[in-house]
Amino acid sequence: QSALTQPRSVSGSPGQTVTISCTGTSSDIGDYDFVSWYQQHPGEAPKLLIYDVTKGPSGVPDRFSGSKSGNTASLIISGLQVEDEADYYCCSFAGRSSVIFGGGTTLTVL
Amino acid sequence: QLQLQESGPGLVKPSETLSLTCTVSGGSISSGHDYWGWIRQSPGKGLEWIGSIYKGGSTYYSPSLKGRVTMSVQTSRSQFSLRLNSVTATDTAVYYCASHYGFDYFDHWGQGTLVTVSS
Repeated sequence: QSALTQPRSVSGSPGQTVTISCTGTSSDIGDYDFVSWYQQHPGEAPKLLIYDVTKGPSGVPDRFSGSKSGNTASLIISGLQVEDEADYYCCSFAGRSSVIFGGGTTLTVL
Repeated sequence: QLQLQESGPGLVKPSETLSLTCTVSGGSISSGHDYWGWIRQSPGKGLEWIGSIYKGGSTYYSPSLKGRVTMSVQTSRSQFSLRLNSVTATDTAVYYCASHYGFDYFDHWGQGTLVTVSS
C-alpha cells in the first residue's frame, strides 16, 4: 500500500490560485468519495480543510475547495494568502478498513 | 469542542514497546465519534496512519504495521491507547491521536508527542 502521490512543492503569489494534486489508484481515490485534505504549519498538528472530496468544515475559509476526477483528487486554494504557506496532505479511504495519506506538498507563498 | 491529548514516554529503547495514551475531553469517547485513530510523522516526513479503533473495541491497523500494533479503548476513563512492540529507530516520530469520524476523516487532533527510539 504505497502513499498517495503529491507534488513535493508548489508555489504562488498572494491573490493567485494554486492547485495541489493527489493521485491514487482505483482501489482508493478512484473507488471512494472519502478524500480529505489537511493543512499543517511547522510545529503544529494537522488541521482538517476538506472532507468527502468537496466539503469544508465550519471555520475553514471557502477559498479552500476540493475536487476529484478518476484516481486524482485536487485541493484548490484561491486568493492565496501569506498564512496559507504550509504543508498539505491528502488522505483517502483505501478499502478493507484502511486509510492512506499522501506524501505531502509544501506550499510556498512568494 | 473536542480536545485530545497524547501522553507517554518520550524515549523508548530499541526492541522495547512504545506505549501511548490519548485522553479525550469536551465530549464522550463512547458517543458522537465512533472511531479514534493514531497517526505518526517521522522527522521531516509525511503523515502515516497507524490504525483506528471503534468505540466498542474493534481494531483496524495499517498493513505495514500489523503484527506490531495493539490498540485499546478505555471508555470509562475517556482514553484510548496505542502499543507498538519491537521498536527500532525508524519508529521515531511524532505520534498524534485524532478522532476519526465515520472512518472517513480526522477532524480533531491532539498536539502530538515526540517519541524517540534510542538506547
